[in-house]
Amino acid sequence: NAGVTQTPKFQVLKTGQSMTLQCAQDMNHNSMYWYRQDPGMGLRLIYYSASEGTTDKGEVPNGYNVSRLNKREFSLRLESAAPSQTSVYFCASSNLSGTGYGQPQHFGDGTRLSIL
Amino acid sequence: GQQVMQIPQYQHVQEGEDFTTYCNSSTTLSNIQWYKQRPGGHPVFLIQLVKSGEVKKQKRLTFQFGEAKKNSSLHITATQTTDVGTYFCAQALSGTYKYIFGTGTRLKVLA
Repeated sequence: NAGVTQTPKFQVLKTGQSMTLQCAQDMNHNSMYWYRQDPGMGLRLIYYSASEGTTDKGEVPNGYNVSRLNKREFSLRLESAAPSQTSVYFCASSNLSGTGYGQPQHFGDGTRLSIL
Repeated sequence: GQQVMQIPQYQHVQEGEDFTTYCNSSTTLSNIQWYKQRPGGHPVFLIQLVKSGEVKKQKRLTFQFGEAKKNSSLHITATQTTDVGTYFCAQALSGTYKYIFGTGTRLKVLA
């Protein structure tokens, strides 16, 4: 059972380049998330997908796009990378419990992205 | 928007000392989750609290949810070097799939 798998683990880009971060989960979770974590800071939500076919903006969506390809996969795209987007990106998945509260999020190992 | 603040930001303790981190909100929290992130790792879920005044224990870790559901704490008794990492609180907004994470407390344990 792999849980949440992110690719790539590391990436270096030049300013203006584009790339897509991939995420897949095998826990049959409905909801998936993309966060960024900057040094010494907490997790900031970029985008999330409550269920297959829906996506919503989080706290810091500017400069990013997402695609919920199917129930398993949720990708994050940087169209024109900027140095300010240098960060560690985490994908996570979860479900909503019967009480209406979120269940624990399961995180991938992260993608360490540097933009020069 | 809703914010969840954590204090302290950093804490250095001698091995064997106790440690506490606090999570405070300006609004009533529907629930609180706690995560631990080891250096270079990813956040790992520890526990979820839902009820006012709830207290849960996991070995040397004690989690508490305030009576007014506006704050929560994580207390570690007799820290060990394996406790090193950053501890985050998070709120799953009731009825939604959206989570708000606290700023985190980074714990260093000196042997």
